[in-house]
Amino acid sequence: DADVTQTPRNRITKTGKRIMLECSQTKGHDRMYWYRQDPGLGLRLIYYSFDVKDINKGEISDGYSVSRQAQAKFSLSLESAIPNQTALYFCATSAIGGVGETQYFGPGTRLLVL
Amino acid sequence: GENVGLHLPTLSVQEGDNSIINCAYSNSASDYFIWYKQESGKGPQFIIDIRSNMDKRQGQRVTVLLNKTVKHLSLQIAATQPGDSAVYFCAERPDYGGATNKLIFGTGTLLAVQP
Repeated sequence: DADVTQTPRNRITKTGKRIMLECSQTKGHDRMYWYRQDPGLGLRLIYYSFDVKDINKGEISDGYSVSRQAQAKFSLSLESAIPNQTALYFCATSAIGGVGETQYFGPGTRLLVL
Repeated sequence: GENVGLHLPTLSVQEGDNSIINCAYSNSASDYFIWYKQESGKGPQFIIDIRSNMDKRQGQRVTVLLNKTVKHLSLQIAATQPGDSAVYFCAERPDYGGATNKLIFGTGTLLAVQP
């Protein structure tokens, strides 16, 4: 969905490096999410945020941190990357309540940690 | 992504046939369900959703059926086309009322459309 963009689309890094993945949205949604996707597994929630002042851990937050710089921007950081963080990372957004509860995803970032 | 289809159940259909993709969800308290389509190298794309107070909902060429008794969700695609080839997965929201809007995602089914 072009309304949700992620940068970079692909990244190769080395163990121990700090990296940041960025997400921007033009949907005007308040809620933003970071997920990772591994082969054979469903999407797993890393962190989520319901507004600029709100940050919540998901089911697999260890080793990750996030920053909600503005309503439209939500970044994910790996402070010291390790090989088992090799995965596809997706950002998603949703509106509050009503029919807007659907989460809309960005195109993903493919991360390889050597 | 390219590896999403590995180790997934596969449904192979002929172009023009109808497809039925099934999903068993886990939480009887889930009140909202979504079907997503994920093509190779792309992010999940919303297809259709349904609330727990409904049994059926129709969209363009797609129908979602919800059976709460057996915690089963299905996606029916009419007149399947080659462009429908993708991984399809369901998501449920176990948090009644959506205070957190957390979703639980299934692992998906790979739909392969044969010309």
